Amino acid sequence: DAGVIQSPRHEVTEMGQEVTLRCKPISGHNSLFWYRQTMMRGLELLIYFNNNVPIDDSGMPEDRFSAKMPNASFSTLKIQPSEPRDSAVYFCASSDRGVYEQYFGPGTRLTVT
Amino acid sequence: TQLLEQSPQFLSIQEGENLTVYCNSSSVFSSLQWYRQEPGEGPVLLVTVVTGGEVKKLKRLTFQFGDARKDSSLHITAAQPGDTGLYLCAGDHSGGGADGLTFGKGTHLIIQP
Repeated sequence: DAGVIQSPRHEVTEMGQEVTLRCKPISGHNSLFWYRQTMMRGLELLIYFNNNVPIDDSGMPEDRFSAKMPNASFSTLKIQPSEPRDSAVYFCASSDRGVYEQYFGPGTRLTVT
Repeated sequence: TQLLEQSPQFLSIQEGENLTVYCNSSSVFSSLQWYRQEPGEGPVLLVTVVTGGEVKKLKRLTFQFGDARKDSSLHITAAQPGDTGLYLCAGDHSGGGADGLTFGKGTHLIIQP
């Protein structure tokens, strides 16, 4: 079975540009999580969906960040406009047991210059 | 913000040695999970502990949840180079409900041959 799929794996963009990260969760999983990982702050939860509905978005840093889950098999995280401090590795994870037993994708390494 | 402190931050030991890493908080968790992350990949779940005082073993890895459910430890016996990675603990305060997981910053472990 395919795991969590994320695209792109790497993204380099200039400050001010819009960035869209994509995630396909494991089929049958009804919970989806977006995380950001940096050396300074570690792994931070940005937003958590359950059955396509956002449950906890308190980790979304500011209005420049938005996330959608239009159906059970696809989610996006958008940053507009991007800033250099958004540079990080962004992970998507899914689960069929709520916050337990999360399966992580390989991540998207974002660099904003 | 509910903090999880992991120690040590970095640990480098020789193959065959034993080691223990720690995960501590001032707050009580409904459950606690341990993940291992290798470079360029997402975290992979190792174990979930839910009962105070619980001990779980995974081959050479022994996980313990504190009696008060505020802390946890991971002990590795006869460490192997394949154990190298970033070990993350993650706590759940809401019993699998709305709050998602809080991750520690991790322990970077290097096992030298």
